[in-house]
Amino acid sequence: NFMLTQPHSVSESPGKTVTISCTRSSGSIASNYVQWYQQRPGSAPTTVIYEDNQRPSGVPDRFSGSIDSSSNSASLTISGLKTEDEADYYCQSYDSSNWVFGGGTKLTVL
Amino acid sequence: EVQLVQSGAEVKKPGESLKISCKGSGYSFTSYWIGWVRQMPGKGLEWMGIIYPGDSDTRYSPSFQGQVTISADKSISTAYLQWSSLKASDTAMYYCARRSSGWTPYFDYWGQGTLVTVSS
Repeated sequence: NFMLTQPHSVSESPGKTVTISCTRSSGSIASNYVQWYQQRPGSAPTTVIYEDNQRPSGVPDRFSGSIDSSSNSASLTISGLKTEDEADYYCQSYDSSNWVFGGGTKLTVL
Repeated sequence: EVQLVQSGAEVKKPGESLKISCKGSGYSFTSYWIGWVRQMPGKGLEWMGIIYPGDSDTRYSPSFQGQVTISADKSISTAYLQWSSLKASDTAMYYCARRSSGWTPYFDYWGQGTLVTVSS
C-alpha cells in the first residue's frame, strides 16, 4: 500500500492563489486518478476535483487540479481565494481495491 | 435529488453493540456502491469499506477488516455499519458516501454523518 502526504496547513489572503500538494509515497501518481474533497467546519466532505482535474457541476472554476510525475504529486489550486474557501482539503486515490486518503490540509484564508 | 440520510448520534458504553444506518434516495440504490468513512475527533478521513447493495458484495480496508460489519437492505434502500463490541477508540464521526458510477472510485455524494461516542 501507499500513503498520500499533504502539508498540515496553508494560509493565504483573500483574492490570492494557493496550491495544496499531495505526494504519493510509492507507485506512480499517474497510475490512479486523484480526487480532492473539501470539508468545511462542522460539515460533511464534498468533492471539488475528481479524476485529477475534473470539476463536478457546481464547483467554481477557481478550483483546479493537476498531477506532476516528476515530484510524484498531485496539486489542488484555488485562485481568487474567498473566505468561504476556508476548510480542510483531502486528496484521495486508490490501489487495487483499497482507497487511500491524504492526511488533510487546513486552509486558512486571512 | 440524491440524498443519503444517516441515523442520529449515539452514546454507548464500551462492550455494547451498535448498528448505524444510511438511507439512500433519489437514485437507484442497488446500482451504486456505498462506502463508510471514519473521522476521529480532530483527525482526517479514513476509508473503512464499501458495499454494493445490488448483491451485497463487500470490501473492507485491511485496517477495519474484522472490526466492523458493513451490510445493506436493498428493500429499504439502507446501508449499515455495525459493531459487536464497541471500544472507546471507536468514538468518531462516521460518514456514508456513494461511490461514483464511472470507472474511477471516488465519492460523489455524502451523508451528513453520525457521531458515535463510546464512554463509560
